[in-house]
Amino acid sequence: AQSVAQPEDQVNVAEGNPLTVKCTYSVSGNPYLFWYVQYPNRGLQFLLKYITGDNLVKGSYGFEAEFNKSQTSFHLKKPSALVSDSALYFCAVRVYGFQKLVFGTGTRLLVSP
Amino acid sequence: NAGVTQTPKFQVLKTGQSMTLQCAQDMNHNSMYWYRQDPGMGLRLIYYSASEGTTDKGEVPNGYNVSRLNKREFSLRLESAAPSQTSVYFCASSETWGTGSNTEAFFGQGTRLTVV
Repeated sequence: AQSVAQPEDQVNVAEGNPLTVKCTYSVSGNPYLFWYVQYPNRGLQFLLKYITGDNLVKGSYGFEAEFNKSQTSFHLKKPSALVSDSALYFCAVRVYGFQKLVFGTGTRLLVSP
Repeated sequence: NAGVTQTPKFQVLKTGQSMTLQCAQDMNHNSMYWYRQDPGMGLRLIYYSASEGTTDKGEVPNGYNVSRLNKREFSLRLESAAPSQTSVYFCASSETWGTGSNTEAFFGQGTRLTVV
């Protein structure tokens, strides 16, 4: 079975400060990991993914994520948060060789001015 | 390109009624998915179709049926709607082939379903 955990329901950060949104995963096999963002009343938009290679992955809107195999984590980061980054963020995992895509429960990011 | 199109966008049903949610993608993707989104529960996979002609259960398939009509279309049917099925439903698709499961999924705008 594959699963994703996002331990924080909400993350609060001041504009200009760095942000981290946490994600841990559990799979049998090699994982492919994804981050998505959802703005109010919208579908999900792809931010970035880890397939293989460098553990630090860069994505859209200045976001990056660090893959840590030993800790089975894939935390989303941004050096300097913007108010416009406020949204709902989802981590997802797929296992190599399979098409099933499983999401976490989401983390609401609130960036204050 | 329209991407992933879901219809309808909103629907209110009475308990026991049936309906079909439609989803179509124009990206020639092999895999398609249906999720439901509920507060505090995130996105839960209902059914998915790895390729035309195949469907598989996800995490919460009870009360739902699906049809992969062709490569473009993947419909979700509620045979007898229940209030517990009140949710926002999302369809998604991704390009996958054999073991090539490293591609991102593209999502529709969602269907907000209320069962009273």
